[in-house]
Amino acid sequence: QQPVQSPQAVILREGEDAVINCSSSKALYSVHWYRQKHGEAPVFLMILLKGGEQKGHDKISASFNEKKQQSSLYLTASQLSYSGTYFCGTERSDNQGGKLIFGQGTELSVKP
Amino acid sequence: EAGVTQFPSHSVIEKGQTVTLRCDPISGHDNLYWYRRVMGKEIKFLLHFVKESKQDESGMPNNRFLAERTGGTYSTLKVQPAELEDSGVYFCASSQWHTDTQYFGPGTRLTVL
Repeated sequence: QQPVQSPQAVILREGEDAVINCSSSKALYSVHWYRQKHGEAPVFLMILLKGGEQKGHDKISASFNEKKQQSSLYLTASQLSYSGTYFCGTERSDNQGGKLIFGQGTELSVKP
Repeated sequence: EAGVTQFPSHSVIEKGQTVTLRCDPISGHDNLYWYRRVMGKEIKFLLHFVKESKQDESGMPNNRFLAERTGGTYSTLKVQPAELEDSGVYFCASSQWHTDTQYFGPGTRLTVL
């Protein structure tokens, strides 16, 4: 029931773009995206609710395809500060109590 | 506004000992969650409080783990007796509504030797 993230790791040059995917085999109510730097708290990026919406701020955006039960996180014109591990946390439609089930993480490294 | 705080930041104990972790959620947040990340794996849910009540404790590994949230403010997570496999980073998160953004604390890194 754990969502699957892809890729597991990606290395970018500053200014390049990346897409991180999060797929679930269960119907989802919401998808939460976080970024964690080593030794720090996971930092909230955005929530997407079922309905297929797309959200974004600055150069980071995300979408949620309800038919595929897949969310994608788009990082454009990457900056050094984007480095870290990205997690998607999913809330299932049959368990909307707030419990998040996380993917295994995608490690993103942005090089100068 | 202060964020979620956790104490201690690190704890190193021997197998068989007891450790108590503390979490102070953001003021006014009724929902409090405990998660754990073991050695590079995914972040796993442990339990969820709504005020002082346990809403969902389906992720608690076994009865060596005891969580409390007396008065609906801060929460403690006690591990007694600790085993080697309990090592990891324990995160606390809080939210205003159960479907709302969960704000994470910095975590407590627990090492059991």
